Amino acid sequence: AQKVTQAQTEISVVEKEDVTLDCVYETRDTTYYLFWYKQPPSGELVFLIRRNSFDEQNEISGRYSWNFQKSTSSFNFTITASQVVDSAVYFCALSEAGDYKLSFGAGTTVTVRA
Amino acid sequence: DAGVTQSPTHLIKTRGQQVTLRCSPKSGHDTVSWYQQALGQGPQFIFQYYEEEERQRGNFPDRFSGHQFPNYSSELNVNALLLGDSALYLCASSWGHDSYEQYFGPGTRLTVT
Repeated sequence: AQKVTQAQTEISVVEKEDVTLDCVYETRDTTYYLFWYKQPPSGELVFLIRRNSFDEQNEISGRYSWNFQKSTSSFNFTITASQVVDSAVYFCALSEAGDYKLSFGAGTTVTVRA
Repeated sequence: DAGVTQSPTHLIKTRGQQVTLRCSPKSGHDTVSWYQQALGQGPQFIFQYYEEEERQRGNFPDRFSGHQFPNYSSELNVNALLLGDSALYLCASSWGHDSYEQYFGPGTRLTVT
């Protein structure tokens, strides 16, 4: 059974601080896919990134960066120089090959104060 | 490029009633998945439709049913509503040959009283 754990329930930072969101996953499959989604107060889940299990390269997109480590089953997400618009709930999700459902973690609420 | 659309935005129903939620996928997508998100929790997978068939189903009772139309749009039906069915219902679309990457609509907020 696949499982995603986001141990941090809430994180509060002051604008321009960096914030790192932890995600730990469990799967028996060797092929799987990891995702991060952002859910602002409007409710819509916004796709941020997809990572395939066979690609451990870290990725940077603007102020966002992701660190994928298969050895520790972690897929952490860092927001650099946070802004008020980054305030949202962030979800990490996992999908195994041949299993099309996304299994989500409980989410981490990020609040960025001006 | 039109994204995923859902209707209605909000809905209030009484216990025991039936409800139908609608979803139109993102342009170019042919697969629709439905998720239920209770307050303060992550979304839970209900089912996925591909080629007008239910391809995969999560741990939801038969009161939850769906349909996909030839234009790839989809409906989620819930019968005999319970108070516990109150949630945000999210529709996600994807491309059938790579349905792992899913794009979500704004959701329908269902309140059962």
